[in-house]
Amino acid sequence: EAGVAQSPRYKIIEKRQSVAFWCNPISGHATLYWYQQILGQGPKLLIQFQNNGVVDDSQLPKDRFSAERLKGVDSTLKIQPAKLEDSAVYLCASSLGAVAAEKLFFGSGTQLSVL
Amino acid sequence: GENVEQHPSTLSVQEGDSAVIKCTYSDSASNYFPWYKQELGKRPQLIIDIRSNVGEKKDQRIAVTLNKTAKHFSLHITETQPEDSAVYFCAAMDSNYQLIWGAGTKLIIKP
Repeated sequence: EAGVAQSPRYKIIEKRQSVAFWCNPISGHATLYWYQQILGQGPKLLIQFQNNGVVDDSQLPKDRFSAERLKGVDSTLKIQPAKLEDSAVYLCASSLGAVAAEKLFFGSGTQLSVL
Repeated sequence: GENVEQHPSTLSVQEGDSAVIKCTYSDSASNYFPWYKQELGKRPQLIIDIRSNVGEKKDQRIAVTLNKTAKHFSLHITETQPEDSAVYFCAAMDSNYQLIWGAGTKLIIKP
């Protein structure tokens, strides 16, 4: 079974620039999550999709972050404009379940450095 | 809302010894508690999970125990090996079915 695919693996940008991350979940997984993991901390949920609908985006900084999952499969997360504090690893995860965050499968993540 | 505290932040044990990592949670309605292992530079991976209707679950060298009354759960690793070196995260599912994560424990296995 193929895992969760993410790209790019690394990204370096200057503050105020924009950046986009891509995620393709495990086939058949209805639920997709974007997490932000700052060095030395646990993952923080940014947004959760069930198919192509948003379940929870309460912790997404909507003035600069946006995400979509138009066809209910792959997803993109965008930051515009980036700030220094956005430097982190952005992890995508998927799960088979429709609602509960059980048995998450994570991608390798995108390490973002904002200079 | 749910709050999860994890201790210790760093744990160093001799190879072959046991390691125990503890987490406490605040929401008595939480009913699902997973543990994830994250090796350096890699993705978090689920290693074991437990539901609130079970007090203990074991899978080879790892086990998780849950004390609902005290609202804490622990990860036990026996006969530790070098490949157990990683950061371990506990989590608890809140009433919105979201995972609330602990801050992580860096486990170091000394040869």
